[in-house]
Amino acid sequence: KQEVTQIPAALSVPEGENLVLNCSFTDSAIYNLQWFRQDPGKGLTSLLLIQSSQREQTSGRLNASLDKSSGRSTLYIAASQPGDSATYLCAVVDSNYQLIWGAGTKLIIKP
Amino acid sequence: SQTIHQWPATLVQPVGSPLSLECTVEGTSNPNLYWYRQAAGRGLQLLFYSVGIGQISSEVPQNLSASRPQDRQFILSSKKLLLSDSGFYLCAVAKQEGVEQYFGPGTRLTVT
Repeated sequence: KQEVTQIPAALSVPEGENLVLNCSFTDSAIYNLQWFRQDPGKGLTSLLLIQSSQREQTSGRLNASLDKSSGRSTLYIAASQPGDSATYLCAVVDSNYQLIWGAGTKLIIKP
Repeated sequence: SQTIHQWPATLVQPVGSPLSLECTVEGTSNPNLYWYRQAAGRGLQLLFYSVGIGQISSEVPQNLSASRPQDRQFILSSKKLLLSDSGFYLCAVAKQEGVEQYFGPGTRLTVT
């Protein structure tokens, strides 16, 4: 059974720092991995999707990597800003085409 | 690109009352549709998904049900709400299985 874990559960850093959020999954048989952002009380916004054949994807200050063999993905945020404060969720599409979710990392960027 | 509407945005209902949450999608046809629930402090849980009109798959046995009366309409229902049904309900759409999912704004349900 696929399980997705995100570490840390919460993170607070000063504005301007570069940071890394971690996601691990137990079964390497995935179709893709997605990173989402959720603002308090709001829906989810898709940030990056990495296909199983890809190693990384970049969008602006965000870079997501995927190491399928080791069951790991990282989301790198460069030059963090207060507006980056949100909960970041990682999810993998498993062999049954279902999204399996991590519990998220709550990120706070202090001005 | 598709647009996903959910209503109501918030809802407070007493235990034992019925429920109907609606999700409609614009900008795509024959999508896969999903209902998720996010309980306080927990991850997302897939409740139902649909690959076509009238086709519903349930992931979790519970007192909720789903229907898809039209191609771009997905409804989540209950005949009698439980306290444990409280949470944030999200509708999602994907063009097909295994590809990127996009989410609606969600409905916050509080059962009292």
